[in-house]
Amino acid sequence: EVQLVESGGASVQSGGSLRLSCATSGFTFRDYWMHWVRQAPGKGPVWVGRIISDGSSATYVDSVKGRFTISRDNVKNTMYLQMNSLRPDDTAVYYCVRDSRYTPEAWGRGTQVLVSS
Amino acid sequence: QPALTQTRSVSGSPGQSVAISCTGSSTDVGTYKYVSWYQQHPGKAPKLMIFDVSSRPPGVPDRFSGSKSGNTASLTISGLQAEDEADYFCGSYAGSYTWVFGGGTKLTVL
Repeated sequence: EVQLVESGGASVQSGGSLRLSCATSGFTFRDYWMHWVRQAPGKGPVWVGRIISDGSSATYVDSVKGRFTISRDNVKNTMYLQMNSLRPDDTAVYYCVRDSRYTPEAWGRGTQVLVSS
Repeated sequence: QPALTQTRSVSGSPGQSVAISCTGSSTDVGTYKYVSWYQQHPGKAPKLMIFDVSSRPPGVPDRFSGSKSGNTASLTISGLQAEDEADYFCGSYAGSYTWVFGGGTKLTVL
């Protein structure tokens, strides 16, 4: 069974940093692209970024470029999201999502990030 | 403002059919076949219902179907059941290894 378990969410002040983790199991992690997607309360999801299988390249939505960095450890089967210079509009549930042929396919249960001003 | 536009809410009675639309642009829905639909119950993770415009993952009932015309994709749910009541949102590949999602549609089963 595919499992994606996010952790690291917390309440932080504006300008702070957080690192989210996504521990995976049930599939060959190193074979898949992975995404981070966030969802604010009552809103639709927003794609944050994607990292390719070997971790050598990542792409991001414009609103997080230069502040967020996605990385992965294919030995630990874990993906990370380093978030710096956090702003109140970064407040959301952050989901770890496995990609399948350009489709964000399997979603974790999410971790809550709250940024206060 | 979500990149893909969806109607905020739709409703239908058990057994009826409903359609949910998702309007994008020529840089996403209109160009790529990588259009997907997700179901999300309150407090739960989204579940993939449709991928590649009209394909269903294993285990998704054939009551759920997808289509696309121009810049607009649609999800049709036939034979509505109480458990179909949820939020539905669309997603699309948008080129240059970026993706976009819709704002979501709340489906109420009357």
